[in-house]
Amino acid sequence: EAGVTQFPSHSVIEKGQTVTLRCDPISGHDNLYWYRRVMGKEIKFLLHFVKESKQDESGMPNNRFLAERTGGTYSTLKVQPAELEDSGVYFCASSQAYFQFFGPGTRLTVL
Amino acid sequence: GENVEQHPSTLSVQEGDSAVIKCTYSDSASNYFPWYKQELGKRPQLIIDIRSNVGEKKDQRIAVTLNKTAKHFSLHITETQPEDSAVYFCAASKGNFNKFYFGSGTKLNVKP
Repeated sequence: EAGVTQFPSHSVIEKGQTVTLRCDPISGHDNLYWYRRVMGKEIKFLLHFVKESKQDESGMPNNRFLAERTGGTYSTLKVQPAELEDSGVYFCASSQAYFQFFGPGTRLTVL
Repeated sequence: GENVEQHPSTLSVQEGDSAVIKCTYSDSASNYFPWYKQELGKRPQLIIDIRSNVGEKKDQRIAVTLNKTAKHFSLHITETQPEDSAVYFCAASKGNFNKFYFGSGTKLNVKP
């Protein structure tokens, strides 16, 4: 069974630009989560989808971040415009039970 | 909200020794505690988890203990091997399909 995949693996952009991250969950997993790890700190929750609906977006930092999950399959996370403090590793996870399967992450660097 | 603290941030042990990583949590409603291992350049992978209705769980060289009263849980790795070298994250959750609150990670280095 294929795991959670994320694209791209790395992205380097300049402050003010836009970046879109993509996550493909494990097939059949209705629950999809986005997390972020900044500067070696803890992995922090951003938001949770159940199918195409946002169940919990309490961790989204501000309105420069927009997450979508059209059709309840893959999800995108757009950062517009990017700021320096948005640099970090963005993880996606999916689940059908207690535990979550993580993707390899997208390392975002904002210069 | 929940706050998870993890110690130590780095841990260096000799191959064959034991390693212990400790986490505390603040929200008594948390009832599920997974541990993830992230090797360099790879995805975090679940290595063991425990629910609040048990105090200890073991899987070969790995064990997790939970003290609900004190709100702390620990990861124990025995007979460490170089391939155990990685960053380990603890997490707490309020159950099925709920978000995880992670600790800040422990970088374990097992010296051959």
